[in-house]
Amino acid sequence: DTAVSQTPKYLVTQMGNDKSIKCEQNLGHDTMYWYKQDSKKFLKIMFSYNNKELIINETVPNRFSPKSPDKAHLNLHINSLELGDSAVYFCASSLRESGELFFGEGSRLTVL
Amino acid sequence: DAKTTQPPSMDCAEGRAANLPCNHSTISGNEYVYWYRQIHSQGPQYIIHGLKNNETNEMASLIITEDRKSSTLILPHATLRDTAVYYCIGWVYGGSQGNLIFGKGTKLSVKP
Repeated sequence: DTAVSQTPKYLVTQMGNDKSIKCEQNLGHDTMYWYKQDSKKFLKIMFSYNNKELIINETVPNRFSPKSPDKAHLNLHINSLELGDSAVYFCASSLRESGELFFGEGSRLTVL
Repeated sequence: DAKTTQPPSMDCAEGRAANLPCNHSTISGNEYVYWYRQIHSQGPQYIIHGLKNNETNEMASLIITEDRKSSTLILPHATLRDTAVYYCIGWVYGGSQGNLIFGKGTKLSVKP
């Protein structure tokens, strides 16, 4: 069983569309994250949720809206996609008091 | 959280020990040193962490200087599969809202 799974792994779409990336963890962790890795390979935190509550919201356009229906899921919805949104998005999970994060395999988003 | 400094790249011969340095001169007393790596196209992977004492696990050893201003990650017998970007990160519970901040890391190339 994959500990942190993301779907889809690849996503190609047109500018202006709306898309979602789903993330699920089966580790029993209480905190989940979304990171973005751009073409220059910098990994940046976008959001962090603890027990379904938002605890970090970095400077991210409000076109990005995370949704956490329960502790095991953190989905990322993106409205009105732009070219600059093209990146690899990584979901991760951990226990709140730990710096040991478990990452998913990433979802590569390409906006044309 | 402490700013960390790592060399941008290093080479290592297969089967030899890989010693990856990290400077963290501004680290605070309760801040841990975490190491992650990212193999090409995969999600980051936790390796090891420590506070004051040296640590060892099945993947690597972590040597932290007595003044805690620097540390070295040691891969005792590097293999080709250890080729990756290695990140040294300072983390403290409650610091940056528990967020792991990734820098540029060290690109380790293990050569046959």
